[in-house]
Amino acid sequence: DAKTTQPNSMESNEEEPVHLPCNHSTISGTDYIHWYRQLPSQGPEYVIHGLTSNVNNRMASLAIAEDRKSSTLILHRATLRDAAVYYCILFSSGTYKYIFGTGTRLKVLA
Amino acid sequence: EAQVTQNPRYLITVTGKKLTVTCSQNMNHEYMSWYRQDPGLGLRQIYYSMNVEVTDKGDVPEGYKVSRKEKRNFPLILESPSPNQTSLYFCASSSAGGREKLFFGSGTQLSVL
Repeated sequence: DAKTTQPNSMESNEEEPVHLPCNHSTISGTDYIHWYRQLPSQGPEYVIHGLTSNVNNRMASLAIAEDRKSSTLILHRATLRDAAVYYCILFSSGTYKYIFGTGTRLKVLA
Repeated sequence: EAQVTQNPRYLITVTGKKLTVTCSQNMNHEYMSWYRQDPGLGLRQIYYSMNVEVTDKGDVPEGYKVSRKEKRNFPLILESPSPNQTSLYFCASSSAGGREKLFFGSGTQLSVL
């Protein structure tokens, strides 16, 4: 199964952009890339997902490398409410399994 | 309101006493799944279901059972709980597997003494 690798933690200043990287070098051609975030004492919350092309929504942007072996979640202007653990996840269309990374804890400094 | 509901929120039990954690979704989703979250290990998939009467093992299925008799419900059954199953459990659902987003429940904190 493919796996994801993320930095354990990152810091950002409030109102500045944040780029959260994820490495998934063993990704298969039909695996979807998902990002979720988790606040303390809550279930994971959907952020964004994509297959091959870059994606934008009201929360964030997802930049997928051309070879799909890595991706970056972009928060355009970090706020204090964005402080959370961000998970990069692969969904295998072949096995219908989700593979979670161990997540990046984002700290936003006021 | 679209939601995934898990019960109970907290559960303390003893080794060997069978228990069931319920999960229900009101979005008519085909795909449902269970995860456990442990410090340092992140979230790991236990079981998933593509539709009614269709279930399959995730990465850590040992010691767990599931059933999918109705589309909206996907209970997690621990026939003989052991202390190593102490964990935070999440249920989630999606309309089309990984092609669409997962909706997560609020979690069930289980302690097995």
